[in-house]
This record gives sequence, C-alpha cells and structure tokens, in this order.
Amino acid sequence: GDQVEQSPSALSLHEGTSSALRCNFTTTTRSVQWFRQNSRGSLINLFYLASGTKENGRLKSAFDSKELYSTLHIRDAQLEDSGTYFCAAEAPNYNVLYFGSGTKLTVEP
Amino acid sequence: EAAVTQSPRSKVAVTGGKVTLSCHQTNNHDYMYWYRQDTGHGLRLIHYSYVADSTEKGDIPDGYKASRPSQENFSLILELASLSQTAVYFCASSDTGSSAETLYFGSGTRLTVL
Repeated sequence: GDQVEQSPSALSLHEGTSSALRCNFTTTTRSVQWFRQNSRGSLINLFYLASGTKENGRLKSAFDSKELYSTLHIRDAQLEDSGTYFCAAEAPNYNVLYFGSGTKLTVEP
Repeated sequence: EAAVTQSPRSKVAVTGGKVTLSCHQTNNHDYMYWYRQDTGHGLRLIHYSYVADSTEKGDIPDGYKASRPSQENFSLILELASLSQTAVYFCASSDTGSSAETLYFGSGTRLTVL
C-alpha cells in the first residue's frame, strides 16, 4: 500500500553474491515483519523487529523507526533464496499490517 | 507444528455468484485474518477476528463478509462476486494479535471471477 514503499521490485543475483532489500515507511511504524513467498505461494515469516537488527543465518534485517526504513540483507545467496520478499509495517492502529509490494528475487547459478 | 489450511486451493466463479472461502487452523490461536494479494502487490487485510462469533473490518472490507463460527474456523464470503475480486486470498492466524506475534499463513486460494 501507500504506507510502505519497497525496493527494488525485482532483483537477480548470482549464487554466492550478496545484496539488500529496502522498505521505506511513509508514516510512523511501530514494527516491521519480513516474509518470503515461495513458488507455491506459501508465506514464511523471516523476521519481526520493533527496533535494531536481527540475524538468522545468511539473512540480516534492520529497522530504524526514526528514519522510517527497514532493510533485509541476503549474504552468500543460494538458489533456494529465490522467491518474493515482502516487508510489512505495523500500522498505528492495532492489528493491521501494511504490506509492501514485494521484491521478486531470482538467484541464478 | 502450527498449521493453517485453506480450501479450496483454487476456484473459478461467475460474476454475481456467491463464493465461500474456508480456513481452518490447528494452532489454538485467537486471531485469524483474511488477506488478498493482487498480482505485483502486497497483501491487504480484508477482515479479521479475535474471538469466535465476532469479526472486525480490515483495510478493504467492502464486498466481503466474514464468519468465525469457532476458534478453528474462519470463512470469507463474497455474496456477489465481481471481476475485481479476482485475486489470491490468504488466511492467517496469530496467538494474541500483537505485532510481535508471528503470522502463520495458509497456502492461499486463487480465485478467478469470470
């Protein structure tokens, strides 16, 4: 939606390389979640952040609530990382997550 | 393992017809959600529920009804399906509804309205 601007819309990486996805928020955001949607359509939760950074294997996410942005870093990309990545921002009103439009990541040999 | 199952996996409906999408969760979660995803876009919240026999409007509720007959089941109802409702629909559940809670998603239902 308009509350979340996600970039890039598509990204192609070679195996072993690294890159970052970004979401900018146009309004106060209390927290952010990152999801990966696989080719079968299933959504998998990667991270929840209310502040700071979190790391899980080759993935690392950061959230800056003052500067209104979040990033997802992918290190040493593997073929299985391919999919569409979504960030979702917690709206000021309770129980609503605003999703970005997604980044379609393709990892090539 | 937490599980959210949706049915059907895909459906073709005619304009003006009634469509019911079903969702069942075995997570013992209080909160359940219905989202729609349009090609090239993120998910948008249609309806959600935090207790049986009660539903709340989300971001885009117009044209949709929801029903939560039990903690485990949450349905999305399109009384008069329209072309603009062609999309993929995702059901999700969470424990407390807090943003700190992980959302568990079903596999989605692809709805095509002709």
